[in-house]
Order: sequence, then structure tokens, then C-alpha cells
Amino acid sequence: DAGVIQSPRHEVTEMGQEVTLRCKPISGHDYLFWYRQTMMRGLELLIYFNNNVPIDDSGMPEDRFSAKMPNASFSTLKIQPSEPRDSAVYFCASSSSLEPQHFGDGTRLSIL
Amino acid sequence: KQEVTQIPAALSVPEGENLVLNCSFTDSAIYNLQWFRQDPGKGLTSLLLIQSSQREQTSGRLNASLDKSSGRSTLYIAASQPGDSATYLCAVRPGSTGGFKTIFGAGTRLFVKA
Repeated sequence: DAGVIQSPRHEVTEMGQEVTLRCKPISGHDYLFWYRQTMMRGLELLIYFNNNVPIDDSGMPEDRFSAKMPNASFSTLKIQPSEPRDSAVYFCASSSSLEPQHFGDGTRLSIL
Repeated sequence: KQEVTQIPAALSVPEGENLVLNCSFTDSAIYNLQWFRQDPGKGLTSLLLIQSSQREQTSGRLNASLDKSSGRSTLYIAASQPGDSATYLCAVRPGSTGGFKTIFGAGTRLFVKA
């Protein structure tokens, strides 16, 4: 099993640009989670999906953030327009309802 | 609102020592509690998951306990090794009405000296 795969691993871009983070969950998992980790706020849940449907997006900081899951094997988190305060490590995780969450290695995002 | 606190924030111990990491949570209505390990530049790896009906879980040198009434969990690491050096996070999944909105503590950064 390849685990949860995230891309890119690192992203550096200028303020105002659109950023798209990608995630491939573990096959067979029906839950997918997007988290953000910063030194100041720790690990925060942004949004999670069940069977490709968004269930709770109350953690999404503002309208500049959007997430989609067009099928069971792919999800994106998009920031448009990006701001320096969006700089963080973004993690994707997946699970089935009976298992712990399995995390990807994250995308380190730097907005200049 | 559920809050998860971990003490201490950092810990440095000599190899071979037994140690305890603490986690406290404010709302006892939880579905489960997990302990994760995070290595630098990596994602989180689940170590132990305790369901709300359980009191403890063990895996190798690790033992996690749960006391819902007092809002506390401990992670016990026996005979610590340099390879145990990492950040350990506690995470609480709220009760049946909370879905999967897991709340994480800030973590304890552990350094085991050879």
C-alpha cells in the first residue's frame, strides 16, 4: 500500500497566485481530511469528506479556500488568491470509519 | 468547545528511561482518543487508538490509558530509545454528534539522548 500521496511536497509562490494542493487517499478509504499545521495554531482540521461528499467545512478559514473530491481517489485544496498568512504545512489524511487516520507527508507552502 | 492540552511541551531524557506524556481534554463526551507520532518533515503516524469504552491500549513498549471522567490520557513509553525522539500528539474525536472533527493537542517534543 503506497499510503496517502500528496503533491507537491513543497510550493513557493508569490502573493496573489492560485495554489492547488493534491491528494490521493489510500484505496478503499471513504473518509478524506485536509489539515493545516502552523507553529502558532498547531494542527487544524479544514474540511473532511465522506464518500466524496464534503461533510464539515467549518474549519476552512475563508472563501479563498476551496476543496473538491471529484472521485474516490483524488482531492484538491485550492487557495485563490493566496496570502503570506496562508504559509503552513498542509496535510491530507484518509481513513475508513473503523480505522485511525493515515496521513500523507504534507505540502510545505510558502507564500512570499 | 473541546480543548486538548499536552504537558510537557518538550522533554529530554537519557536512553533507557521510562517516561510519561500527558494529555488532557475539557469535554469528556468523546468517541475515541488517539496518540500520534510526528517526525520532522513528515506526516503523523498513529500509535494507539483508545475507544471511549476502553481504559487502555498497548503496543510494544507503548501503553496509553484513558480516564474520560477526569479528561485525561497518558502515553507511557518504556525503556526509551533515541529512535523514539519525535513529537507526540494527542487527538480527540468528539462524541456521536461531533462527526470526525478531531481536535489535536499542540504536542510534546521528545528527545532521547544516547
